[in-house]
Amino acid sequence: KAGVTQTPRYLIKTRGQQVTLSCSPISGHRSVSWYQQTPGQGLQFLFEYFSETQRNKGNFPGRFSGRQFSNSRSEMNVSTLELGDSALYLCASKEGGRDSRSPLHFGNGTRLTVT
Amino acid sequence: AQKVTQAQTEISVVEKEDVTLDCVYETRDTTYYLFWYKQPPSGELVFLIRRNSFDEQNEISGRYSWNFQKSTSSFNFTITASQVVDSAVYFCALSEESSGSARQLTFGSGTQLTVLP
Repeated sequence: KAGVTQTPRYLIKTRGQQVTLSCSPISGHRSVSWYQQTPGQGLQFLFEYFSETQRNKGNFPGRFSGRQFSNSRSEMNVSTLELGDSALYLCASKEGGRDSRSPLHFGNGTRLTVT
Repeated sequence: AQKVTQAQTEISVVEKEDVTLDCVYETRDTTYYLFWYKQPPSGELVFLIRRNSFDEQNEISGRYSWNFQKSTSSFNFTITASQVVDSAVYFCALSEESSGSARQLTFGSGTQLTVLP
């Protein structure tokens, strides 16, 4: 099976712009999560989607949003970019049902640089 | 609140040495899950192991072994006969049952392991 695929791999944006990141989960996985990784804050949970519904959201401002499509693919959007949004954004998927305790499988991430 | 502490920021060893990465966690749940992930320079987090709070058996997988001790809230990871390819950042993570179906992961700050030839 192909792994979790994230596009693009690298992005450079200017402060104030908005950005959309894409994630294709492993085939058959219906749960998709997003994490932000920065040198200062480490890995932090952004949100999780299952069957097109957001189940949980981390402690991030409303500028961070996401959605999931019927084919389980997911996108996250960051509006009004700030310098502090520069980070590696990781998407992960897991198999099983809604309450699955399966481990998360991560993609290679999208490295976003805000200038 | 859940918390994961990886006190070792960086470790350097010479190839073939054994190395242990420490992980200490805090949780009020009686049911929880512990994980180890490896992050090579490519950026992808690679799943290594999952343990639930009711299973304190140590596990060995090839050169990797894990020591889970609830009494000390620790879940340590040992690499035997380290190799250069083991160089990466290793993360310990915790997921609580009470967080419901979302079960987000709380990660430690990671340990950068460098294995020198």
